[in-house]
Amino acid sequence: AQSVTQPDIHITVSEGASLELRCNYSYGATPYLFWYVQSPGQGLQLLLKYFSGDTLVQGIKGFEAEFKRSQSSFNLRKPSVHWSDAAEYFCAVGAPGDYKLSFGAGTTVTVRA
Amino acid sequence: NAGVTQTPKFQVLKTGQSMTLQCAQDMNHEYMSWYRQDPGMGLRLIHYSVGAGITDQGEVPNGYNVSRSTTEDFPLRLLSAAPSQTSVYFCASSPPSGTPSTDTQYFGPGTRLTVL
Repeated sequence: AQSVTQPDIHITVSEGASLELRCNYSYGATPYLFWYVQSPGQGLQLLLKYFSGDTLVQGIKGFEAEFKRSQSSFNLRKPSVHWSDAAEYFCAVGAPGDYKLSFGAGTTVTVRA
Repeated sequence: NAGVTQTPKFQVLKTGQSMTLQCAQDMNHEYMSWYRQDPGMGLRLIHYSVGAGITDQGEVPNGYNVSRSTTEDFPLRLLSAAPSQTSVYFCASSPPSGTPSTDTQYFGPGTRLTVL
């Protein structure tokens, strides 16, 4: 069964600074990988996904993520954060065709002025 | 399209009461699922359905019941509520297999349930 680890529970970053959120997965083959964002009191919104091909994936809101098979990682990055990026971020892994997703525990991002 | 809708948004129950959380989608998605979200644990899959009349258990199914009589609706029933079921519940749906967005899940806004 697949699983996801997000090592950082909480990250604080200054507005305009860069952001990197870590995600490590466990799966025997090439997984489907996702990053979702949850703003306070809201549902989850898909930021980006990786199925195959180019290992650098571009998403919405200026986010990107890089799939590194050798490190079993799918880290999320943003060059310059905005106050509106304060939210909880979830990494998820799925098996192709399986529909079920396994989520990490989430990383809460606080943006300070 | 309204997407994935959930009702109610908030609910308070007493231990032992039963209730149904409603979930509907208007995107003709085959796959629907229920997750619960608890602090520090991410989202955990409760039950899922790959089409009308077909349901299966996820990671944490105990205390919950589901049915799927139509493509659009996937209600979650709490048979006898317990304080351990205090959580935020999310419904999600996915397009049919083989479509461009296969395996991308679309989430509803959630139902915040408190069991006293």
